[in-house]
Amino acid sequence: QVQLQESGPGLVKPSGTLSLTCAVSGASISSGDWWSWVRQPPGKGLEYIGEIYHTASTNYNPSLKSRVTISVDNSKNQFSLKLSSVTAADTAVYYCARRYSYGSGTYLDYWGQGTLVTVSS
Amino acid sequence: DIQVTQSPSSLSASVGDRVTITCRASQSISTYLNWYQQKPGKAPKLVIYAASSLQSGVPSRFSGSGSGTEVTLTISSLQPEDFATYYCQQSYSTQTFGQGTKVELK
Repeated sequence: QVQLQESGPGLVKPSGTLSLTCAVSGASISSGDWWSWVRQPPGKGLEYIGEIYHTASTNYNPSLKSRVTISVDNSKNQFSLKLSSVTAADTAVYYCARRYSYGSGTYLDYWGQGTLVTVSS
Repeated sequence: DIQVTQSPSSLSASVGDRVTITCRASQSISTYLNWYQQKPGKAPKLVIYAASSLQSGVPSRFSGSGSGTEVTLTISSLQPEDFATYYCQQSYSTQTFGQGTKVELK
């Protein structure tokens, strides 16, 4: 069974950098899937942040691209998110997920349980 | 970016009701549309992928249809465990989610 687990600070100061890691078990991060980050502000909907392939190729949400860096550590079977210059608007539950490919389409089939990151001084 | 808009944003229904949620895309996305169910405090769960394919383990009362710019999710007979928020997501291009439809008990 594939499992994903987010970890990182739950509180980040405004203008600082949010850093999270997603540890993957039950599957190899080099398996040929993409690995995604999605966030959800309290009481609001889901927002795609970006994703990474094991070769370190990335895709980002254009609205966040200037502040987002996603990296991968194949040896540790994990991938990471950095979001810079954060404001209160970045307060959200952050999820990592696997993007599985079927033919020419994809879906997010395995998700972490999510971690709440609050931006506050 | 491709925008996806769900309707309604919320609905009230009773156990046993037939429920339909619609997702409209700003351009054709063929059948590259997925549906997720989310309960409070939990991660989203995949329900339907490729517009009409039922994810393994999901009850057959869930179904999806449509293609192009309009796709629907139908729950044929609403059960107590189905009260949740449902999101559509297009995978035709850079992923985007609909704003969600909250299904509440009438």
